[in-house]
This record gives sequence, C-alpha cells and structure tokens, in this order.
Amino acid sequence: GAGVSQSPRYKVAKRGQDVALRCDPISGHVSLFWYQQALGQGPEFLTYFQNEAQLDKSGLPSDRFFAERPEGSVSTLKIQRTQQEDSAVYLCASSSTTMGRAQYFGPGTRLLVL
Amino acid sequence: EDQVTQSPEALRLQEGESSSLNCSYTVSGLRGLFWYRQDPGKGPEFLFTLYSAGEEKEKERLKATLTKKESFLHITAPKPEDSATYLCAVLKVEKLVFGKGTKLTVNP
Repeated sequence: GAGVSQSPRYKVAKRGQDVALRCDPISGHVSLFWYQQALGQGPEFLTYFQNEAQLDKSGLPSDRFFAERPEGSVSTLKIQRTQQEDSAVYLCASSSTTMGRAQYFGPGTRLLVL
Repeated sequence: EDQVTQSPEALRLQEGESSSLNCSYTVSGLRGLFWYRQDPGKGPEFLFTLYSAGEEKEKERLKATLTKKESFLHITAPKPEDSATYLCAVLKVEKLVFGKGTKLTVNP
C-alpha cells in the first residue's frame, strides 16, 4: 500500500516568507507526527496529532511554527516569517495504535531559507 | 533527562566483515526502542521495535538485541547495499527521541 507522502520535496524560501508543508499519512493511521532533522543529526520531535487533536506541541521551536490536521488525515506544517535557522529537513510520520507504535516516515521536505 | 547515544559515529567495513552498532539510553520507564535505517535524501525506514530486556529481533543480515541500558544492532556478513545511517530511538510518551545515528559504509 501507499506510504507516507510529503510535498513539496524541496522548498527554497527567502527570509521572511511564509511556507506550508503538506503530509499525507498512511490511510487509517490515527497518529501523525512532525520531526525536524538538521544535517548530520537525528530527527527531533516537533508536534503530534491523534486524529484531529493536537496532543503535544512541545517541540515547536517558536510561535512562528504552526501545525494543523483539521479532518484527521492530511496535515500541514506552516512556518511564518522564515529564518535561516529554519533550514532543515521536515519529516512527517504516522502510526497505527494497533501496530506496536512503530512510526512510518515520509521522504521529508528539504527547506532552504536564503 | 532522556538521552540516546549512538556509537561509533561512523563505521567502515569490508564486505563480509561482521560488526555491531551500539545504542545506549537513559530513560525512565522504557516503552520501546526502535531501530531505523536512513539512506541519503530519504526518510527513516523502520527496522525493529524492542520492548523488554533480553528481546531479540532479526531481519536478513541484521539482528537487534536489548539490555536494560543499551541495544546492539549486529550486522552479519554485510554487503555494500547495507551502507546507510542507522538511527536508534526510544519512545517517550508518544514521541520518539533519536540518537545522532551511526553512518555505516560497507566497501566491496
């Protein structure tokens, strides 16, 4: 079956621009996660949804970061007024509570802020 | 503070040369330890979940083991296609806390 998909795969933004990153989870997965991965580092947690409810947003680095999942499937991560330090790969993962909590990752969106 | 430390940071092997990657963790109430493989430009690919000390999982040339303080990923007779970064993570509530990974290169 189809895995987690993300779009766009690459995004170049000028400093100060707003960006929106999309995630389509595996069909039927109730949990959805966003992670940020800097070069040479492991992914770092940003936020977590169960269905449409955002249950944990403790990893969002500032109030410029906002995530939503209004209908409990597709999710969007929005970054307002992008800064150079926002440059990273943004990974989306989904999991089913019946599958031992394994999280399945998408290919990521590579964001470069100039 | 929950921490995951992986060693070595990088490992070069000759094809067929078996070795092990280490993941040590400090976390209260381990609810799961995960191994992922990540190829350049791709998202992490799930390999194994381990839940309790003494548990082992195998897949092809890979075997993951778990103790109370650490996990090992054993690679038996590796091939060049096993070259990748291997990530270890622990489950904290619902989120994964990752180590920095071990970059494995297998030369033919």
